[in-house]
Amino acid sequence: DIVMTQSPNSLAVSLGERATINCRSSQSVLFDSNNKNYLAWYQQRPGQPPKLLIYWASTRASGVPDRFSGSGSGTDFTLTISSLQAEDVAVYYCQQQYSTPETFGGGTKVELE
Amino acid sequence: EVQLVESGGGLVQPGGSLRLSCAASGFTFSHYEIKWVRQAPGKGLEWLSYISSSGSSIYFADSVKGRFTISRDNAKNSVFLQMNNLRAEDTAVYYCARVMIASGEVIVGALDVWGQGAMVTVSS
Repeated sequence: DIVMTQSPNSLAVSLGERATINCRSSQSVLFDSNNKNYLAWYQQRPGQPPKLLIYWASTRASGVPDRFSGSGSGTDFTLTISSLQAEDVAVYYCQQQYSTPETFGGGTKVELE
Repeated sequence: EVQLVESGGGLVQPGGSLRLSCAASGFTFSHYEIKWVRQAPGKGLEWLSYISSSGSSIYFADSVKGRFTISRDNAKNSVFLQMNNLRAEDTAVYYCARVMIASGEVIVGALDVWGQGAMVTVSS
């Protein structure tokens, strides 16, 4: 199974400041046939289901504000919130869909400082 | 409106069974793969199961393999998760979610539509 490791477990960021979340996979999630990384990022607010933010490691899902961006390839990935807003307080998860069983990172809780 | 709605959750004793349903609306259900994900109280997300658009391809996590089955009825726009021999550690919110299709009918793999979840509590 591919193990997804997120860091940090939590971080406190001031309004308008940058938040950076890292995700590392135990093996590459890059499909050679289409050069796509099968890595997604989700946001989960309290009491809500997860919401897709980023797929293919760096493509924003429809309606997601451009302050959210994803980067990385192979085994190392980053989710960046360029200017934190109050509504971004949530837990963020990475997920690989490269192989079954698909696996999630442990989550990163983003709070306001 | 595109949505998924889970039902069938509840309280069950260890060793018991439950059947969760996931009803889809607002999109052409038969074109889409569906996955189940669960979340134990205060914990992270755990991928459980996958069913292809036709129902011909199915996968399970090791934690539920042999105890859970998945099926779909495209005529009724629904997916079902049959859970048998339930254990205390199966207590969680169970989400069904749609596998995203990008332009050009490319299957993305990520989950773009989620239900609100169904709570399953396994306790005596």
